[in-house]
Amino acid sequence: GESVGLHLPTLSVQEGDNSIINCAYSNSASDYFIWYKQESGKGPQFIIDIRSNMDKRQGQRVTVLLNKTVKHLSLQIAATQPGDSAVYFCAERKTSYDKVIFGPGTSLSVIP
Amino acid sequence: GAGVSQSPRYKVAKRGQDVALRCDPISGHVSLFWYQQALGQGPEFLTYFQNEAQLDKSGLPSDRFFAERPEGSVSTLKIQRTQQEDSAVYLCASSPNRISATDTQYFGPGTRLTVL
Repeated sequence: GESVGLHLPTLSVQEGDNSIINCAYSNSASDYFIWYKQESGKGPQFIIDIRSNMDKRQGQRVTVLLNKTVKHLSLQIAATQPGDSAVYFCAERKTSYDKVIFGPGTSLSVIP
Repeated sequence: GAGVSQSPRYKVAKRGQDVALRCDPISGHVSLFWYQQALGQGPEFLTYFQNEAQLDKSGLPSDRFFAERPEGSVSTLKIQRTQQEDSAVYLCASSPNRISATDTQYFGPGTRLTVL
């Protein structure tokens, strides 16, 4: 069946260091993979996405890597800041406009 | 420049009561999604509207859950005869429905429902 899961439930990082959050997925039919950030009391906020025909995409301080061979997705955050503390979800969509299937989330804690 | 808004933000219901949760999507957004998020979990899809048409309701957990979007803008999620297992955050998301590009979903803050 379809599933998106994470390797690590919690991650603590020193301020200024780089963070890497990993995710495994099982549905090869998905065409889009997305990372969301969710702060306490708020809804998920879109960070970055990548289409299945790409292996890397960069945004502002963030990079998403997709390895379709091993069905692995990662989010890299450069120079992690206290404001980056949140729960991060990897997610997938079969098409660009389909429902989003979320993984269980990783809690990122930035140590000042 | 308002985003997706939801009301109420918090709702406490006694078991067996009916509740109605409202979502105001971003103006002009065609697609509207409802998700349920249990504590410590990722959101799970409930239902999807394109304008006023409910195109997918495969995620609704039981026939006690009902959603509508009669005029293609505001949507209401109704839960009848609430049970304790209905306690969760209910998230609404809207998107422009640009089929030619990634159709980013914008989420509201959610309604936290607690059933006693």
